[in-house]
Amino acid sequence: IQMTQSPSSLSASVGDRVTVTCRASQTISHNLNWYQQKAGKAPKLLIYGASSLQGGVPSRFSGSGSGTDFTLTISSLQPEDFATYYCQQTYGSPRDITFGQGTRLEIK
Amino acid sequence: EVQLVESGGGLVQPGGSLRLSCAASGFTVSTNYMSWVRQAPGKGLEWVSTIYSGGPTYYADSVKGRFTISRHNSNNTVYLQMNSLRTEDTALYYCARDIGYSGYDWGYWGQGTLVTVSS
Repeated sequence: IQMTQSPSSLSASVGDRVTVTCRASQTISHNLNWYQQKAGKAPKLLIYGASSLQGGVPSRFSGSGSGTDFTLTISSLQPEDFATYYCQQTYGSPRDITFGQGTRLEIK
Repeated sequence: EVQLVESGGGLVQPGGSLRLSCAASGFTVSTNYMSWVRQAPGKGLEWVSTIYSGGPTYYADSVKGRFTISRHNSNNTVYLQMNSLRTEDTALYYCARDIGYSGYDWGYWGQGTLVTVSS
């Protein structure tokens, strides 16, 4: 299952509302996670099951979608949100687990 | 507190072998799905392998037949035996634990161990 994120990079300002899109090559129901990765750090799980917020993650992060099209929204960008974001499908488990190519969110 | 600490990375020649370790604390590896995920320098994330709590193991096609995941319950450690290494296996290898939703929702990660395959 191929996962395609858009855009590949994005420039935004603190306070902006930002949306990242992830599209699957086939239907994956709600089996979609979102991760944030900062430079030199391990990824951090933000959203699982397409829309469930992982514990400790700020409520400005939200996820939506089902089937083939999904979105990650940050309602009001904070300085600590500038990072790379990855979507991941788990529908193909146990042998086909794939990530999108990543979306780099940069400061404008 | 859940902690994962990887070790065992290093420089190895093509065709060589390496064994990575992931020492876990704060939980028992045998009761969770444990996975290895890698990231080539400057690239994205790639799932490598998972061992289920019940014992079954699964691999990405890119490593199947060359890598073996296992666990040792007595020392609460997960391993990744890597044989017939290729230059394209060069990456930072992370150990990850699921949060208990689908088995592949990795809410806990180690710091990673770097594997470099080069002559």
